Amino acid sequence: GQSLEQPSEVTAVEGAIVQINCTYQTSGFYGLSWYQQHDGGAPTFLSYNGLDGLEETGRFSSFLSRSDSYGYLLLQELQMKDSASYFCAVRDEFTSGTYKYIFGTGTRLKVLA
Amino acid sequence: EAGVAQSPRYKIIEKRQSVAFWCNPISGHATLYWYQQILGQGPKLLIQFQNNGVVDDSQLPKDRFSAERLKGVDSTLKIQPAKLEDSAVYLCASSLVGDTEAFFGQGTRLTVV
Repeated sequence: GQSLEQPSEVTAVEGAIVQINCTYQTSGFYGLSWYQQHDGGAPTFLSYNGLDGLEETGRFSSFLSRSDSYGYLLLQELQMKDSASYFCAVRDEFTSGTYKYIFGTGTRLKVLA
Repeated sequence: EAGVAQSPRYKIIEKRQSVAFWCNPISGHATLYWYQQILGQGPKLLIQFQNNGVVDDSQLPKDRFSAERLKGVDSTLKIQPAKLEDSAVYLCASSLVGDTEAFFGQGTRLTVV
């Protein structure tokens, strides 16, 4: 089977740093994406890791270790607006050049004042 | 650039009734996805199109769900007849072929009573 595991909920205070982990077990793997979704809103793309290592985009960074089937999203200088659900998604290939995305169960982040 | 448009935003129907959702992807995006997101869970891929061809529909309950993408642009997803367990948000997303970022619409929240 295919599974992506994330913590269900994380709580942190404004200005803090928080890490959201994702471990995956899938039949294929081409990369790991992260999406943010506010309540009632659409998922929005945050980052993608196709290779091992750290990718940084402003206050958000994402890390991937393919050998450990593990990745994380790091959010720095937390703001109230970061309160949302965060999903990791594995990119797998159907056929050459055609990809699909398998989403994790999501982590609900609560940022406290 | 206009985003992914979906309608309606909300729909309440009785079980055994039929319902249809519409999606207009971002112009030029050949790949279109329909996801089902049950409250508290991650999006689950129902069907994926590339242009007007189906790439994958392995998780589409074909006895009651159908989808089409005419002329490789707009898409409709239909449920007939609906069951209580179909209550969810139906998300449409689109992307360029092979791109790592998918763009999601606001979704249609379906409640089956």
